[in-house]
Amino acid sequence: ETGVTQTPRHLVMGMTNKKSLKCEQHLGHNAMYWYKQSAKKPLELMFVYNFKEQTENNSVPSRFSPECPNSSHLFLHLHTLQPEDSALYLCASSQGLAGTDTQYFGPGTRLTVL
Amino acid sequence: KNQVEQSPQSLIILEGKNCTLQCNYTVSPFSNLRWYKQDTGRGPVSLTIMTFSENTKSNGRYTATLDADTKQSSLHITASQLSDSASYICVVSLMDSSYKLIFGSGTRLLVRP
Repeated sequence: ETGVTQTPRHLVMGMTNKKSLKCEQHLGHNAMYWYKQSAKKPLELMFVYNFKEQTENNSVPSRFSPECPNSSHLFLHLHTLQPEDSALYLCASSQGLAGTDTQYFGPGTRLTVL
Repeated sequence: KNQVEQSPQSLIILEGKNCTLQCNYTVSPFSNLRWYKQDTGRGPVSLTIMTFSENTKSNGRYTATLDADTKQSSLHITASQLSDSASYICVVSLMDSSYKLIFGSGTRLLVRP
């Protein structure tokens, strides 16, 4: 285990549903991230939080809404999603910024939007 | 444009054989290069990280090389095992205020008995 947990592991939702993904890190890291991984495409950075403050939003549609209540927890709230949003959503954490420190990834949530 | 290209896209080898995965990048300014292993249904796990001044780094049967002049890296797997079946992702970090990570699309390796 990497010290980063994600729940749920699998999620199927309709386009009108509202759901949330949860990430928790037990490593004492200061930075947390959300990534989207689609088949045969590079990981896409969605959001970055550093010391609970959002430092990056990579032009993500507003139907994805992140929340970081403390440095150990990260949520991704989902509403009115589209079928093309189906993907593996990965959470990661690092002690410092990802560019200099190793990122530790969770197992991901496999999301299917019907 | 900052890009990371990996080849081959997929690879099948027999257990016990060696293999080499390639990574070419056009990222500038360069900070460091990482190789990650991602098992099916799991998140990526870091194998190696190399800075500009390092040209080789090993982690068990995994050896990564870096040629900063040609902007190429390789990941060599020795005496492959069935558990090596995974996707291998090359990631390059920018040395600027963002320290942004540029991800490759990965090489999917299948090791057969």
